[in-house]
Amino acid sequence: EDKVVQSPLSLVVHEGDTVTLNCSYEVTNFRSLLWYKQEKKAPTFLFMLTSSGIEKKSGRLSSILDKKELFSILNITATQTGDSAVYLCAVVKSRGSQGNLIFGKGTKLSVKP
Amino acid sequence: DAGVTQSPTHLIKTRGQQVTLRCSPKSGHDTVSWYQQALGQGPQFIFQYYEEEERQRGNFPDRFSGHQFPNYSSELNVNALLLGDSALYLCASSWGADNEKLFFGSGTQLSVL
Repeated sequence: EDKVVQSPLSLVVHEGDTVTLNCSYEVTNFRSLLWYKQEKKAPTFLFMLTSSGIEKKSGRLSSILDKKELFSILNITATQTGDSAVYLCAVVKSRGSQGNLIFGKGTKLSVKP
Repeated sequence: DAGVTQSPTHLIKTRGQQVTLRCSPKSGHDTVSWYQQALGQGPQFIFQYYEEEERQRGNFPDRFSGHQFPNYSSELNVNALLLGDSALYLCASSWGADNEKLFFGSGTQLSVL
């Protein structure tokens, strides 16, 4: 059975801390992995990763994929209160399944001032 | 540039009733996917519509049906509502059925009493 597991499920840090969120997966015919940020209702796209070892970066956020070990990490440096959200990891299987994202349960990040 | 819009934002129904949720995709997008997100869980794929046809379907019963209109907007219908159908229903759009980068709306919060 396909599964995506995120850890930790929740995390509380203080402003300025650096956090690492984990996502491991077991799916047949892996195609890509995506990270989303869900603040209230609408998940917003952060990164899409398809190749191993290539870091994607956007400001204080970065992510990398390890296809051999079947996991990805999302790093957030110098956290701010606005980073408080649920971070969702999703995996897409083979071509023809692109609309079907298999999500993990998410990591709830709380950043305290 | 209008993003993905969903209506209504909240809905309360009783068991056995039927409900219709609506979605307008982001401008320029032609593909719509629907997801169900229960409290504390990641979104689960219901189905995807492209060219007015259901292209993919997740593990949901036939009580869940949909439609896509020529202007690419979409409806999700749920018949014979159960208490377990209470969830946030998210609509996501993309350009092309082969594109896994989805843009999500803010969802419809459905409560079944």
